[in-house]
Amino acid sequence: SQQGEEDPQALSIQEGENATMNCSYKTSINNLQWYRQNSGRGLVHLILIRSNEREKHSGRLRVTLDTSKKSSSLLITASRAADTASYFCATDPTTSGTYKYIFGTGTRLKVLA
Amino acid sequence: NAGVTQTPKFQVLKTGQSMTLQCAQDMNHNSMYWYRQDPGMGLRLIYYSASEGTTDKGEVPNGYNVSRLNKREFSLRLESAAPSQTSVYFCASSDLQASYEQYFGPGTRLTVT
Repeated sequence: SQQGEEDPQALSIQEGENATMNCSYKTSINNLQWYRQNSGRGLVHLILIRSNEREKHSGRLRVTLDTSKKSSSLLITASRAADTASYFCATDPTTSGTYKYIFGTGTRLKVLA
Repeated sequence: NAGVTQTPKFQVLKTGQSMTLQCAQDMNHNSMYWYRQDPGMGLRLIYYSASEGTTDKGEVPNGYNVSRLNKREFSLRLESAAPSQTSVYFCASSDLQASYEQYFGPGTRLTVT
């Protein structure tokens, strides 16, 4: 069963625009991570936010976490063509131990030059 | 520093054949993971190894076995391949003492006919 569900499934924007994608999950978590996957490649870690944090920044990335709504959002500002990829959230449910991360279904982002 | 390596990159099997997917990491990580990724879906955890000498089932372990050969290597075996095991397989590792970030290999694309 998928813990995380990303929304939207696909997003197409112009270079320079901001991209926002959302992740909803079902159970309490210890932390939530966002990963990027370029076509045909392995996943690359972007950012981690702990359950006691509400917002975190890393370069052009901004992540928010609302544990009351069981949701997170990833904002990519001033997008570039190189940001074209799939983005996944991964949650670490408090009941599963710290090893069993559950990945969402992903948002496919296309940035048009 | 190669990170996480996987062999082979591509494999075609006939139903009933067996094979072993190899994974190695050179980052001295304690934890290692095997995931499968099917079209339109996120990654699903097959097995993980929290530390050398231990392995445990993930979300979809049926039809697979694993061996944590040493700290560096974690192999995934399909004893009798089935078409439902056609997927892309990713190995990952992490150092849970330092962070929860997972480092992924490039993947093995497996087709079972």
